[in-house]
Amino acid sequence: AQSVTQLDSQVPVFEEAPVELRCNYSSSVSVYLFWYVQYPNQGLQLLLKYLSGSTLVKGINGFEAEFNKSQTSFHLRKPSVHISDTAEYFCAVSEANTGNQFYFGTGTSLTVIP
Amino acid sequence: DTGVSQDPRHKITKRGQNVTFRCDPISEHNRLYWYRQTLGQGPEFLTYFQNEAQLEKSRLLSDRFSAERPKGSFSTLEIQRTEQGDSAMYLCASSLPRHSNYGYTFGSGTRLTVV
Repeated sequence: AQSVTQLDSQVPVFEEAPVELRCNYSSSVSVYLFWYVQYPNQGLQLLLKYLSGSTLVKGINGFEAEFNKSQTSFHLRKPSVHISDTAEYFCAVSEANTGNQFYFGTGTSLTVIP
Repeated sequence: DTGVSQDPRHKITKRGQNVTFRCDPISEHNRLYWYRQTLGQGPEFLTYFQNEAQLEKSRLLSDRFSAERPKGSFSTLEIQRTEQGDSAMYLCASSLPRHSNYGYTFGSGTRLTVV
């Protein structure tokens, strides 16, 4: 079975500052990794995904994430945040090739302070 | 196509009542998924369909829950004899089979409050 740990439940950051949201996973098989964003009263929107290849993945809205297999991590970063980035961010994994269900972390609430 | 549509957006019901939610996936997506998200938690998998066949169910899907996708298009999720613990956001998502592992498209969810 897979599990995902998001180490920070809340992250406040000033506007235009950089941010890192941390995600660690546990799995006995190869996995695909994802970050989703959820705005209040909305569904989840895919920010980026790692399937294979380059460990640095770029996504929408200026976000990027780096897959580190040895540390089983997939941290999300943005060099300069905006007020509009205030939202809940979820890290997720699925079994590579065979998995149909996603396993989500408990989420990190990012608050951008003006 | 406007994405995955869920109806209603909000539902308040009294404990013991039955409720039914509807999900309309993206038209060419033949895989459809239901997830439940409780306050402060990430979404948890409930079940998924490929066309009209329900291929996998989570242990979270108790016998009070039933999901259908009769014609392989829209899906319904029914909860019988609702309990306060059923209060949650119910999320629907869809995908193509070859993309199911690459990320789904989620709807905006139905928020259920059981009072």
